[in-house]
Amino acid sequence: SAVISQKPSRDICQRGTSLTIQCQVDSQVTMMFWYRQQPGQSLTLIATANQGSEATYESGFVIDKFPISRPNLTFSTLTVSNMSPEDSSIYLCSVEQGALKETQYFGPGTRLLVL
Amino acid sequence: GNSVTQMEGPVTLSEEAFLTINCTYTATGYPSLFWYVQYPGEGLQLLLKATKADDKGSNKGFEATYRKETTSFHLEKGSVQVSDSAVYFCALNTGNMLTFGGGTRLMVKP
Repeated sequence: SAVISQKPSRDICQRGTSLTIQCQVDSQVTMMFWYRQQPGQSLTLIATANQGSEATYESGFVIDKFPISRPNLTFSTLTVSNMSPEDSSIYLCSVEQGALKETQYFGPGTRLLVL
Repeated sequence: GNSVTQMEGPVTLSEEAFLTINCTYTATGYPSLFWYVQYPGEGLQLLLKATKADDKGSNKGFEATYRKETTSFHLEKGSVQVSDSAVYFCALNTGNMLTFGGGTRLMVKP
């Protein structure tokens, strides 16, 4: 399976600021995914990022709030903009693998606390 | 649309007890089914998967069988350990889109 790293692993931020989260994969992948996990909750897909095209956002998530970059086949960033305490969550990236691309493997997550 | 329902936790067991975490799903087409585990302070790890009906996924003593007739993928382990304490997520994928259940917290006491 792919080895996925994320930076930072955790951060404490002030409201109104922005944080960019990096996701690095050890192999080339077509699609990368960004998820949010609010405290005590399950995972919610924010967006899907393909290299060379704009990210596709799920309902309830917009590009102005969560801009995503995908400059190459091994790297992506998610920015959480103009943060509020409600943005306090774990943010995870994932990649798909398997013969039918059916399996997703996750990074270790970025734990964000907004004060 | 697709959905996954799993039993609410927390599930509290003594060490060496038998574990079952129920998971049922609703999906169009023929989904692949997964169990992920999240240990305290960590990200999600793939625990096991099954890609077609009657397949059994297994890993680290955990097992789950893809039951199309009951649309279920229950997670079982014969003898749990304290180190199994974590949150377990059932999920399905019908093509690029993972749908997660709400998660079940397992607490194993010595």
